[in-house]
Amino acid sequence: NAGVTQTPKFRILKIGQSMTLQCTQDMNHNYMYWYRQDPGMGLKLIYYSVGAGITDKGEVPNGYNVSRSTTEDFPLRLELAAPSQTSVYFCASSTSSGPLHFGNGTRLTVT
Amino acid sequence: QQQVKQSPQSLIVQKGGISIINCAYENTAFDYFPWYQQFPGKGPALLIAIRPDVSEKKEGRFTISFNKSAKQFSLHIMDSQPGDSATYFCAASNIQGAQKLVFGQGTRLTINP
Repeated sequence: NAGVTQTPKFRILKIGQSMTLQCTQDMNHNYMYWYRQDPGMGLKLIYYSVGAGITDKGEVPNGYNVSRSTTEDFPLRLELAAPSQTSVYFCASSTSSGPLHFGNGTRLTVT
Repeated sequence: QQQVKQSPQSLIVQKGGISIINCAYENTAFDYFPWYQQFPGKGPALLIAIRPDVSEKKEGRFTISFNKSAKQFSLHIMDSQPGDSATYFCAASNIQGAQKLVFGQGTRLTINP
């Protein structure tokens, strides 16, 4: 079982560049989430989705966009990268009332 | 209203000792309190979770204690082992629907052999 797969594992971006962080899950979970993890700050919710075609903002959505065209995929888009977006990004999925299953993260540096 | 505060930031315990990590929350609507364990280079993984209708939950060497009136909960690791060395996060949310977990700041636990 692959679970939640995130690509790429590492990425360096220049200020103003754009990129898409990919996330796919093979557990047929309806719910998917994007979190960012900064040192000493825990994880903060960026966006989440309750099913294909439905997305909503979390605590820190500014500078990001998401889409959910299929149950399996939940990509996160950064349009104009800024140094403040340097972080480790985690995608997760769950059933309703089930535990979150996290991927292994994408470490992004914006310089 | 949405914060979860976790302490300590780091903790060093001798092998065989008891590790204790504490969390406090503000939002009384939260009804699900999980603890996640994270190893370097990996995503967090659920360790143990509790609902507010019980004051304690034990799974092996791991125990959650929950104090609803004080809005506090804690993780106790008995007979701590070097393999328990990791970062631990408490979290809180509503159990139904999308679990928009609010995480604590994390505790880096080191178990000395």
